[in-house]
Amino acid sequence: KQEVTQIPAALSVPEGENLVLNCSFTDSAIYNLQWFRQDPGKGLTSLLLIQSSQREQTSGRLNASLDKSSGRSTLYIAASQPGDSATYLCAVLNQAGTALIFGKGTTLSVSS
Amino acid sequence: EAQVTQNPRYLITVTGKKLTVTCSQNMNHEYMSWYRQDPGLGLRQIYYSMNVEVTDKGDVPEGYKVSRKEKRNFPLILESPSPNQTSLYFCASSLYSMNTEAFFGQGTRLTVV
Repeated sequence: KQEVTQIPAALSVPEGENLVLNCSFTDSAIYNLQWFRQDPGKGLTSLLLIQSSQREQTSGRLNASLDKSSGRSTLYIAASQPGDSATYLCAVLNQAGTALIFGKGTTLSVSS
Repeated sequence: EAQVTQNPRYLITVTGKKLTVTCSQNMNHEYMSWYRQDPGLGLRQIYYSMNVEVTDKGDVPEGYKVSRKEKRNFPLILESPSPNQTSLYFCASSLYSMNTEAFFGQGTRLTVV
């Protein structure tokens, strides 16, 4: 059964730092991996979607990489800002292609 | 604006009183799904629908019902809510399956007393 783990569970950094969030999954036979952002009282916002055939995706200050063979993905955030403070969730598609399996998230706090 | 809309956003109800949480998307997506989010357990899928009139159970379907009579709507029905269904609920949609970008609603915080 696919399991997704995110480390660390929480992270506090000063504004301007570059940071890396980690995601690992137990079954390398995935269709895709998605990174989401969750703000308190709001829904999940899709940040990046990496198909299984891709190695990375970039959007603005965000870069996500995927290494299927090792069961790992990283989300790199450049020049962090207080507005980046949120919980970041990693999710992989289950083998049936019918559900996203989520990690428990990394809660990021960026101080000014 | 492309969006998934859930109603209500907040709901407090009593045990056993039937309720429905509505979900509507305006992107002509075929795939829709319901998740619940609980502290320490993360997000877990309740039900999903691949298309109109096609629904199936997710990981935690007990105590819930769904219907998909039109492409845009996917209501979640709790026939007899219990306190263990107190949770934050999210509706999601994607174009064909979860192999395309997923869009989530803003969530419904349900408390059953």
